[in-house]
Amino acid sequence: AQSVTQLGSHVSVSEGALVLLRCNYSSSVPPYLFWYVQYPNQGLQLLLKYTSAATLVKGINGFEAEFKKSETSFHLTKPSAHMSDAAEYFCAVSTGANSKLTFGKGITLSVRP
Amino acid sequence: KAGVTQTPRYLIKTRGQQVTLSCSPISGHRSVSWYQQTPGQGLQFLFEYFSETQRNKGNFPGRFSGRQFSNSRSEMNVSTLELGDSALYLCASSWRVAGAGDEQFFGPGTRLTVL
Repeated sequence: AQSVTQLGSHVSVSEGALVLLRCNYSSSVPPYLFWYVQYPNQGLQLLLKYTSAATLVKGINGFEAEFKKSETSFHLTKPSAHMSDAAEYFCAVSTGANSKLTFGKGITLSVRP
Repeated sequence: KAGVTQTPRYLIKTRGQQVTLSCSPISGHRSVSWYQQTPGQGLQFLFEYFSETQRNKGNFPGRFSGRQFSNSRSEMNVSTLELGDSALYLCASSWRVAGAGDEQFFGPGTRLTVL
């Protein structure tokens, strides 16, 4: 079975500050890991994904994440927050044998001017 | 290329009724997955269809069903609606069975309210 833990439900940062959203996963086989973003009244948009190539993954809008097997983590970072980054962020895991995405509870990111 | 479309966007039903939601995947995509999103349970996988066959199913009661047509369009049906079925229902498509880390492209969702 696979699972994702996103600690905390809300993160608030100042504009220009570092964004760090944490994600820990559990999987009995090598995982595929994803970060999605959801803006109000919209579906999910893929930010980036890890599929066993490079452990440091760069995504859209300046986001990146690092896969750390020893820590079972896939934390999302962005060096400088922008007001437009305010949204809900979901970490998800899947395995090659099972197509379904298992999502974490999500984290709401607020950006203060 | 047009994205995933879902109709209707909003729906209000009463308990005991049934509802059908529709999803049109991105052109060329043959896999369609459905997810339920609620404040309490978050995002939960309902089922996946590929080439008109259900490939995977989540832990939902039999009141939740789906199907896929030869043009890859998919519908999901919920019978005997309960208040707890109020949710945002998201459809996602990918060009093959969504394994091997393939990206799933999500539609905007259908917001179902059960009164």
